Amino acid sequence: GENVEQHPSTLSVQEGDSAVIKCTYSDSASNYFPWYKQELGKRPQLIIDIRSNVGEKKDQRIAVTLNKTAKHFSLHITETQPEDSAVYFCAASKDDMRFGAGTRLTVKP
Amino acid sequence: GAVVSQHPSRVICKSGTSVKIECRSLDFQATTMFWYRQFPKQSLMLMATSNEGSKATYEQGVEKDKFLINHASLTLSTLTVTSAHPEDSSFYICSAEGPSQTDTQYFGPGTRLTVL
Repeated sequence: GENVEQHPSTLSVQEGDSAVIKCTYSDSASNYFPWYKQELGKRPQLIIDIRSNVGEKKDQRIAVTLNKTAKHFSLHITETQPEDSAVYFCAASKDDMRFGAGTRLTVKP
Repeated sequence: GAVVSQHPSRVICKSGTSVKIECRSLDFQATTMFWYRQFPKQSLMLMATSNEGSKATYEQGVEKDKFLINHASLTLSTLTVTSAHPEDSSFYICSAEGPSQTDTQYFGPGTRLTVL
């Protein structure tokens, strides 16, 4: 089955800097890659997703890239703000979704 | 890290029968557990929030009489799909919230339900 690894587990950046979270997956058949943001005390929310027929997708300060050959995908947050502080989960799915272990991002003002 | 298990991992049942899915937090006490459903080629849909010792809170559009949730202990929540129909076939994922509000959620491996 699919196995998703996520790095780093914790990430601390200064406000305004960029943050990058990377995930790898094992099943080359996976074709859907969502990213979730979990703020303190709240449930995870989908923030961006990408499908295997696309290499990059951008939504304002958030972008996701996918390298199918290497089987890895990354979340990029530019111009980080304190409200970006949260736990971020990547996931990979063909039929059944598998999650990474999460990255706790802290943006220092 | 914390581990959440689900059982069974896969289940096939006949239309009209009921199926119970268990979600367990193996090494921590989870006061809150969440049940999600994944539709084909789509993101997760939150079905309900399960709090130990109290009734579950269902999201809009989710039938509480069809998807029975029981959170009887701090380590176990169950989802029972009653009178299952083929349209209930899906991948169901639970997650458990760690003991303090600062804790992240830990996702289970999911259960693939196929209703014939």
